Amino acid sequence: QLQLQESGSGLVKPSQTLSLTCAVSGGSVSSADYSWGWIRQPPGKGLEWIGYMYHSGSTYYNPSLKSRVTISVDSSQNQFSLRLSSVTAADTAVYYCARRSRWFDPWGQGTLVTVSS
Amino acid sequence: SYVLTQPPSVSVAPGQTARTTCGGDNIGSKSVHWYQQKSGQAPVLVVYDDSDRPSGIPERFSGSNSGNTATLIISRVEAGDEADYYCQVWDRSSDHVVFGGGTKLTVL
Repeated sequence: QLQLQESGSGLVKPSQTLSLTCAVSGGSVSSADYSWGWIRQPPGKGLEWIGYMYHSGSTYYNPSLKSRVTISVDSSQNQFSLRLSSVTAADTAVYYCARRSRWFDPWGQGTLVTVSS
Repeated sequence: SYVLTQPPSVSVAPGQTARTTCGGDNIGSKSVHWYQQKSGQAPVLVVYDDSDRPSGIPERFSGSNSGNTATLIISRVEAGDEADYYCQVWDRSSDHVVFGGGTKLTVL
């Protein structure tokens, strides 16, 4: 059974870069059938798609975040990562990783990232 | 950019049928996916491709999609169905993912 687990810093200072990793078990990030994505949810608000990446290297980002986002895949570690630069308090959210077909399933448990000095 | 509109809240009594909608321009031409998010938990896929259920999801969950409205239907609602429900589509023209704003289902 595929499982995903997010990890990374839970506290980031304004203007710095948020970095998260999603470890995949029970499946391979090298699969050509799926892409790997990130979604976030600010406290008390709805879901916001951040982006997704295929193992081939093709990436697709939310236009509102595109200038600050990088998603990468590390096949050797069977994981994928998110980097979000120049963060502000508005980037405070629970960040989820997920496997994507045309839908997202399964999801990781999520990790709270707080942007604060 | 493509927009999905969901009502903020829906209420239903136990044992009744809950219907929540997801509106979008010609959404019937797209595949709609639905997620259930219980308080403090990660979202879970409950319906994909308009009306298909992942393994492990009760038959009580179903969906439809036509014209400008997709609908998630929950039959014989139980207290455990109380959650936020989100619809999602993939906008083929831009390769972008879109989520609706979510609907809070309250079981009275």
